[in-house]
Amino acid sequence: DQQVKQNSPSLSVQEGRISILNCDYTNSMFDYFLWYKKYPAEGPTFLISISSIKDKNEDGRFTVFLNKSAKHLSLHIVPSQPGDSAVYFCAASRTGSARQLTFGSGTQLTVLP
Amino acid sequence: SAVISQKPSRDICQRGTSLTIQCQVDSQVTMMFWYRQQPGQSLTLIATANQGSEATYESGFVIDKFPISRPNLTFSTLTVSNMSPEDSSIYLCSVGGQRTEAFFGQGTRLTVV
Repeated sequence: DQQVKQNSPSLSVQEGRISILNCDYTNSMFDYFLWYKKYPAEGPTFLISISSIKDKNEDGRFTVFLNKSAKHLSLHIVPSQPGDSAVYFCAASRTGSARQLTFGSGTQLTVLP
Repeated sequence: SAVISQKPSRDICQRGTSLTIQCQVDSQVTMMFWYRQQPGQSLTLIATANQGSEATYESGFVIDKFPISRPNLTFSTLTVSNMSPEDSSIYLCSVGGQRTEAFFGQGTRLTVV
């Protein structure tokens, strides 16, 4: 049973446009959500996070939106750059879980120059 | 953020043999985690490495197959025992950050032939 789902395995976007990556979760106990970026042959790199008490968190070009009622979050990248091309993982954790993360299956983002 | 070094970065092993992966962190951390990423799939938590006590394994993973050591607060090893081709994966060490986000090593790409 996949508790964190990323239904789009890939996404292509033109440089300068907005990239929107989506993530759904089923476990209502999750209260902290994260996005990681992964390049080939490297470990995942933390990008941005959001607590369940918020509905938006912004860091430069990256904004994460959380819709608790829909159990849905999204990552917006504006403007997209070719260097953003990577696999993006959504992850979730719950209080008391000792920071153990449940990951989605990832979305390969390709930003075209 | 913690700096995490994993060794080896990659290896090709014969079936039936064992491989020990090392994870070194540049600061003392309470908990370290081991994840696996099978080809084309997401990251799955194998176990939590606890200093001074036995590791805590997730469903589907057992100590006989993935023995873990945690001799101090900066170091851990994961052994993949009696390997089969199904064990071909990327194995990742991670530690928790101050605000729940986890930091990852660069991973060990294991191929079993």
